[in-house]
Amino acid sequence: GENVEQHPSTLSVQEGDSAVIKCTYSDSASNYFPWYKQELGKRPQLIIDIRSNVGEKKDQRIAVTLNKTAKHFSLHITETQPEDSAVYFCAASKPGNTPLVFGKGTRLSVIA
Amino acid sequence: DGGITQSPKYLFRKEGQNVTLSCEQNLNHDAMYWYRQDPGQGLRLIYYSQIVNDFQKGDIAEGYSVSREKKESFPLTVTSAQKNPTAFYLCASSSVRPFVYDTGELFFGEGSRLTVL
Repeated sequence: GENVEQHPSTLSVQEGDSAVIKCTYSDSASNYFPWYKQELGKRPQLIIDIRSNVGEKKDQRIAVTLNKTAKHFSLHITETQPEDSAVYFCAASKPGNTPLVFGKGTRLSVIA
Repeated sequence: DGGITQSPKYLFRKEGQNVTLSCEQNLNHDAMYWYRQDPGQGLRLIYYSQIVNDFQKGDIAEGYSVSREKKESFPLTVTSAQKNPTAFYLCASSSVRPFVYDTGELFFGEGSRLTVL
């Protein structure tokens, strides 16, 4: 089955700097790659997603890139703010409404 | 107010007892999921259901059971066969989109924290 690896497990950045979280997946049939943010004590929420027919997607300070050949995708957060501090999960799924397979998460700390 | 409701939020049980976690959604979603969250382990899939009266095992189904008698409800029972049941359990739902290729957005409940004493 699908396996999603996520790195790093923890990341600390200064406020205003950029943060990058990387994920790799094993199943070349996967075509949907969302990112979820889980703030402390709260439920995970979708922040951005990308599909296999697109190489990059941006939403304000957040962007995701996908390299299908290498089977990896990344989350980029620019101009980080303290409220960006959270655990971020990447995930992947194959066609046909199959369940998401999640990475182990990255705990991002933005230091003011 | 639409969403997913999990109960109870906190639950303590003695070793060897079965416990059932409730999950209800009013989003009219066909698919529902149970994930287990442990520190450093991410979200691991226990069971999922895409239609009433049908469900499939996920990656860590051993020691768990589910039912899907109603579209709105997907309760999870943690049985005494689960070797390490202390964890945070998250229920989620999504729409099943027959003409679209992917799962789409998952909507999560607030979770249930189970502690086995």
